[in-house]
Amino acid sequence: EVELLESGGGLVQRGGSLRLSCVASGFTFSSYAMSWVRQAPGKGLEWLSAISSFTNGGRTSYADSVKGRFTISRDNSKNTLYLQVNSLGADDTAIYYCVKGPARDCFDYWGQGTLVTVSS
Amino acid sequence: QSVLTQPPSVSAAPGQKVTISCSGSSSNIENNYVSWYQQLPGTAPKLLIYENNKRPSGIPDRFSGSKSGTSATLGITGLQTGDEADYFCGTWDNSLSEGVFGGGTTLTVL
Repeated sequence: EVELLESGGGLVQRGGSLRLSCVASGFTFSSYAMSWVRQAPGKGLEWLSAISSFTNGGRTSYADSVKGRFTISRDNSKNTLYLQVNSLGADDTAIYYCVKGPARDCFDYWGQGTLVTVSS
Repeated sequence: QSVLTQPPSVSAAPGQKVTISCSGSSSNIENNYVSWYQQLPGTAPKLLIYENNKRPSGIPDRFSGSKSGTSATLGITGLQTGDEADYFCGTWDNSLSEGVFGGGTTLTVL
């Protein structure tokens, strides 16, 4: 059974930083692209970033809204995905989901999410 | 402002059928697979439909997907109160090089 368990969220002041983590199990982590998607309170889904599999070179991509502030990375030896989030603003308050994919344009498994709240 | 356009809400009676539309463009829906996600209240999204019209194991055949050109549609038949949720379409956008989602549609089963 695929499981994705996020951690690292919390309350942070405007301009602050956090590192989100996601431990994966139930599949060969290194073989799959992984993404982060967020959802602001009462809003829709926003794709943030993806990192390709080990065999595809671990290439990264970012949404324009977070490029230069967020950094995605992975440690295949620990089956763990990370998202370093810097220079946080009020608009970054959201639940951050760790997601398996994209694979054939699909995100097939989602973690339960970790809440990031940015205070002023 | 979402790249993919969905109606904010739909409603129907138990046992009836409903469809949810998702409109995009040639840089996303027309040239990529569309997937659909169900988000029950207070939970994470769950994959409902992938590759336009395929259902993951465990998803009942009451749920169906289709795509034509720059639009996709999710259909749900035999509506149940347990189907009340937010539904999102998603795909990849080749021009943006980003994953994209619709703004979500809230289904109410009256």
